[in-house]
Amino acid sequence: EPEVTQTPSHQVTQMGQEVILRCVPISNHLYFYWYRQILGQKVEFLVSFYNNEISEKSEIFDDQFSVERPDGSNFTLKIRSTKLEDSAMYFCASASPLRTGGDYGYTFGSGTRLTVV
Amino acid sequence: AQSVTQLGSHVSVSEGALVLLRCNYSSSVPPYLFWYVQYPNQGLQLLLKYTSAATLVKGINGFEAEFKKSETSFHLTKPSAHMSDAAEYFCAVSRDSSASKIIFGSGTRLSIRP
Repeated sequence: EPEVTQTPSHQVTQMGQEVILRCVPISNHLYFYWYRQILGQKVEFLVSFYNNEISEKSEIFDDQFSVERPDGSNFTLKIRSTKLEDSAMYFCASASPLRTGGDYGYTFGSGTRLTVV
Repeated sequence: AQSVTQLGSHVSVSEGALVLLRCNYSSSVPPYLFWYVQYPNQGLQLLLKYTSAATLVKGINGFEAEFKKSETSFHLTKPSAHMSDAAEYFCAVSRDSSASKIIFGSGTRLSIRP
């Protein structure tokens, strides 16, 4: 079964440093997303991306965040200057219309745990 | 605006007992509803989803959920709990079955007693 792949699984960074989280969506998917889950809290939507531009973003997704699909296969989330409160699990997801049933096959990756120290 | 509320942050049942995880939704449009499971240190796995086709939805691992519009509920059940069901369960809602963002509840941790 096709998977969304995220690397690394765990990243530790110093406060103020830039970090890039990487995702390889399912190959024929067209919609891409980032979500985050602070430890012990619920999963929160950050941003959706379609046709090489942001289609929707949440209040969390401020100027320190950016997304990019640099080469047609990877989908990245950049945090410019990390803060302690950015420590969380970050999930990538992708979706695309399936042939039957109008389903979009929304699929999540296994996540990257970011720890800011 | 859409939201889901999960009643009970932690539920503990005995192995073989009925599992009932509660979820109520709020939506100004017909909702699409989901249950996801997260095992320790793993990602989110879709258990089942409601997309208006049938009110009783069967999912993987013996779970099912019933959409009740009059009660704005989408509770998750399983007749007989297994030790391997221990995990975090998230109820979620979106505007439709397409590429809309998914809004998650706060989660319910399910523990299974031997």
